[in-house]
Amino acid sequence: GENVEQHPSTLSVQEGDSAVIKCTYSDSASNYFPWYKQELGKGPQLIIDIRSNVGEKKDQRIAVTLNKTAKHFSLHITETQPEDSAVYFCAASKVDAGKSTFGDGTTLTVKP
Amino acid sequence: NAGVMQNPRHLVRRRGQEARLRCSPMKGHSHVYWYRQLPEEGLKFMVYLQKENIIDESGMPKERFSAEFPKEGPSILRIQQVVRGDSAAYFCASSPTGTGKYGYTFGSGTRLTVV
Repeated sequence: GENVEQHPSTLSVQEGDSAVIKCTYSDSASNYFPWYKQELGKGPQLIIDIRSNVGEKKDQRIAVTLNKTAKHFSLHITETQPEDSAVYFCAASKVDAGKSTFGDGTTLTVKP
Repeated sequence: NAGVMQNPRHLVRRRGQEARLRCSPMKGHSHVYWYRQLPEEGLKFMVYLQKENIIDESGMPKERFSAEFPKEGPSILRIQQVVRGDSAAYFCASSPTGTGKYGYTFGSGTRLTVV
């Protein structure tokens, strides 16, 4: 089955700096890659996603890149703010299957 | 427009008791997924259901765990004869289709503590 690895497990940045979180996946048939943000005591919330026919997608301060050949994708957050502090999860799934496989999460801390 | 509703938010059970976790999907969503999150760990897939059907239960332990999504009412995840290792946060998610075209909408979770 699919295996998703996520790095780093923890990341601390100064407010205003950029943060990058990387994930690799094992199943070349995976073609949908969402990112979720989980705040303390809450459920994960979808923040951005990318499909395999696209190499990059941007939404204001967040962007995701995908390299299908290398089977890795990354989340980029620019101009970080304290409210970006949370746990971020990447995931991978196939369009014809509902199940998603999640990475183990990255705890991002943005210091004011 | 309520999102995914899970209850209870917190559940304490003694070893050997039964735990029942409920999930009402977002309006218009007919696909429900259950995930388990152990402390300091990621989300592990348990089961995927559509109305009255279990589509994929490959992540669910073979014993003590069961799930249903009846024609009327919420989806139920049932854990019989709970043990300490069942203590975790259980999240339900829903999506409009069963394909991987769309991300999930998650509920706030049920935090199960077995004492």
